[in-house]
Amino acid sequence: EVQMVESGGGLVQTGGSLRLSCAASGFSFSNYAMSWVRQAPGKGLEWVSGISGSGGATYFPDSVKGRFTISRDNSKNTVFLQMNSLRVEDTAIYYCAKDQAYGSGSFFDYWGQGILVTVSS
Amino acid sequence: QSVLTQPPSVSAAPGQKVTISCSGSSSNIGNNYVSWYQQLPGTAPKLLIYENNKRPSGIPDRFSGSKSGTSATLGITGLQTGDEAIYYCGTWDSSLSVSGSWLFGGGTKLIVL
Repeated sequence: EVQMVESGGGLVQTGGSLRLSCAASGFSFSNYAMSWVRQAPGKGLEWVSGISGSGGATYFPDSVKGRFTISRDNSKNTVFLQMNSLRVEDTAIYYCAKDQAYGSGSFFDYWGQGILVTVSS
Repeated sequence: QSVLTQPPSVSAAPGQKVTISCSGSSSNIGNNYVSWYQQLPGTAPKLLIYENNKRPSGIPDRFSGSKSGTSATLGITGLQTGDEAIYYCGTWDSSLSVSGSWLFGGGTKLIVL
């Protein structure tokens, strides 16, 4: 059974940093790209980062570029999201999602349960 | 304002059929596959349709997808109260940044009357 479990969320002040982790199981982790998708309270979904199966390629939307970095440890089946210079508008539930491909052609076939990140001023 | 445009809400009676549209452009829907996601209240999104019209195993054939030009459509037949959820379309966009970017529509709330 495919599972992703996020951890590392919580309350942080504006300008602070937080590192999210996503532990995956039930599939050949290094063969798949992974992404993080967030959802602000009462709002829609926003993709915030992706990483290839090898970890050699990463991509971000302009809204988080330069502040967020994504990495993975294929020996531990874990993907990370390092979030720096956090803003109130980064407050959201962050979901880890398994990607069927890297970049064009991708879609998210499994999702974690999500972890709440709250940024206060 | 999302680059992919969905109606905020649609409604229909149990047993009826409903369609949800997703409108984009040549840099996203026009040249890439579309997927659809269902988010029940308080839960994570779930993949319903991928590569425009394919259903993952376990998704009933009441759910269907199609794409024409720069628009995509999700269809749901035989509506059930358990289908009340928010539905999101998603696709890749090649114009929003140098390396490309994944996009979601704004979401459509399905109300089963």
